[in-house]
Amino acid sequence: DVKVTQSSRYLVKRTGEKVFLECVQDMDHENMFWYRQDPGLGLRLIYFSYDVKMKEKGDIPEGYSVSREKKERFSLILESASTNQTSMYLCASSLYSGGGAGGNYGYTFGSGTRLTVV
Amino acid sequence: GQSLEQPSEVTAVEGAIVQINCTYQTSGFYGLSWYQQHDGGAPTFLSYNALDGLEETGRFSSFLSRSDSYGYLLLQELQMKDSASYFCARRGGNNRLAFGKGNQVVVIP
Repeated sequence: DVKVTQSSRYLVKRTGEKVFLECVQDMDHENMFWYRQDPGLGLRLIYFSYDVKMKEKGDIPEGYSVSREKKERFSLILESASTNQTSMYLCASSLYSGGGAGGNYGYTFGSGTRLTVV
Repeated sequence: GQSLEQPSEVTAVEGAIVQINCTYQTSGFYGLSWYQQHDGGAPTFLSYNALDGLEETGRFSSFLSRSDSYGYLLLQELQMKDSASYFCARRGGNNRLAFGKGNQVVVIP
């Protein structure tokens, strides 16, 4: 089975700190994604990557950046943490779809990192 | 961005049937996925519809009507372990998913 591992389950950081959230997948998936999940708002896409060193902004990229130096690892960076970035962060991976309508290309999610910024 | 509309909460007894509806925007649409998330857990993939019609996977079925920009997830023979949140997700280019706000299903004895 595909496994997506997020380095920390819980994190507490201070306002203004630079925060790194790490995600590693072990099934050679091309696509990797970072979402945040907040009550009543569902999952919102921050950034995604469909290849090494490739990245695209999602719906809420402000205040975040990403790094994908190796295929298996996708890092989310909070440049200067703020209290409104307190959230559950979920990493996911999938096969690359090529844009076609066929196939299911379901996501496999990590267990999440609950980040609290104080 | 995309807009995925889902009702918020449903309570049902064990053995019942629940239908969770989802409407979506059509621009750049490739298909509709469904995910289940238990409290404190990660979302897990349930099903995907690219074409019109019904896909059945055990007690769960998912339906898509592209002409109506509408889909639903049908949970049959509800069990206590089905208490969870259910999300529809619209698939776009590069397998990018836009998730709805989710629907919490509470199963009672």
